[in-house]
Amino acid sequence: GAVVSQHPSRVICKSGTSVKIECRSLDFQATTMFWYRQFPKKSLMLMATSNEGSKATYEQGVEKDKFLINHASLTLSTLTVTSAHPEDSSFYICSARVQSEQYFGPGTRLTVT
Amino acid sequence: LAKTTQPISMDSYEGQEVNITCSHNNIATNDYITWYQQFPSQGPRFIIQGYKTKVTNEVASLFIPADRKSSTLSLPRVSLSDTAVYYCLVGETGRRALTFGSGTRLQVQP
Repeated sequence: GAVVSQHPSRVICKSGTSVKIECRSLDFQATTMFWYRQFPKKSLMLMATSNEGSKATYEQGVEKDKFLINHASLTLSTLTVTSAHPEDSSFYICSARVQSEQYFGPGTRLTVT
Repeated sequence: LAKTTQPISMDSYEGQEVNITCSHNNIATNDYITWYQQFPSQGPRFIIQGYKTKVTNEVASLFIPADRKSSTLSLPRVSLSDTAVYYCLVGETGRRALTFGSGTRLQVQP
């Protein structure tokens, strides 16, 4: 199947700083990518849908100014958590759609101290 | 989007067959049923997808009755490495993002 990578796999940052997470489709082009967040022992929650070359569509309750999404190319989408707070600590997972299937990245563990 | 209901957890032993049932009473005509597996601190991994009747691949089988209001994921002869969370998702593939329910936490004992 298609491969989706994320970088970094884990990151620790201080409260108030910003951190960028990259999501790449390695062997295919993805016009649509998705970002999810997952808290411990909980299910994945969709944060936003990212379309190449256009603005992301955010789910209700997700602050677009806090979670900046850029999908500048068909193989790369980035999520920037701005002014991070400890409550932003979570597991962030991206997903790319090719035809009718969604492939998921390995996730990025963010810890805000 | 069709809501899904799965058991919160299941226990099994190595070598047994495990069947996880998912209810999706308001499934729409264009919806497919997809199952994903997730290990701790990893992204979900696609297991199997079907529309009706039975689908089988190298790792699992998916049984879907005629009314499509439920589906059963069957894992033959589970091993310890099958301990994971299994998610049943229902939706029109290729249209909206997949929406995850609570999933079923499968624990396989030796």
